[in-house]
Amino acid sequence: GAGVSQSPSNKVTEKGKDVELRCDPISGHTALYWYRQSLGQGLEFLIYFQGNSAPDKSGLPSDRFSAERTGGSVSTLTIQRTQQEDSAVYLCASSLRTGVVGRNTEAFFGQGTRLTVV
Amino acid sequence: AQTVTQSQPEMSVQEAETVTLSCTYDTSESDYYLFWYKQPPSRQMILVIRQEAYKQQNATENRFSVNFQKAAKSFSLKISDSQLGDAAMYFCAYRRYTGNQFYFGTGTSLTVIP
Repeated sequence: GAGVSQSPSNKVTEKGKDVELRCDPISGHTALYWYRQSLGQGLEFLIYFQGNSAPDKSGLPSDRFSAERTGGSVSTLTIQRTQQEDSAVYLCASSLRTGVVGRNTEAFFGQGTRLTVV
Repeated sequence: AQTVTQSQPEMSVQEAETVTLSCTYDTSESDYYLFWYKQPPSRQMILVIRQEAYKQQNATENRFSVNFQKAAKSFSLKISDSQLGDAAMYFCAYRRYTGNQFYFGTGTSLTVIP
């Protein structure tokens, strides 16, 4: 697609429920990232995928959080047994690999999913 | 580990004036990329400007320019002729030349005063 697409745009869920957030990256981008942004705060790294390599899960805050990327494209971030502190905007980004002179290396972001746990 | 520091949580500027946002970073690498992103209230992160560390010339994009001081590990953003639409959160980011991870600063909230 033309840009990174995330769905849903907004999600309200009850405490204790599971939620799935979807990210559709730019076609051809091998790297995909998930970040969490609490109100008025910076970006908290959660996880990233690079091609077929094992994902870097070092930013996941607890074992309630998991993510997968199917076929090297679409990614789903799953939060189990949601808590109120999970309320935030979840941003997805994708990029090309680095290491090539002149190649655009920035991350392209989706518009995020605002998750509210009530 | 790489860290990116934005020491100004909030800044304000009069419309049509110039403002400079600060960013410093810590790295032992010699080749890397630096970015400034803008996040308006719509929450869409937009790339403002990028700089490759191997380039000595400072990047410019219309009213936006950077002052890249490699030895000092400083990467400030200058916005000239500020407009109301420049009001947003600005994030500085670092990426290794051969790496995939992005490291973001904590952001600077810019207010433009009419």
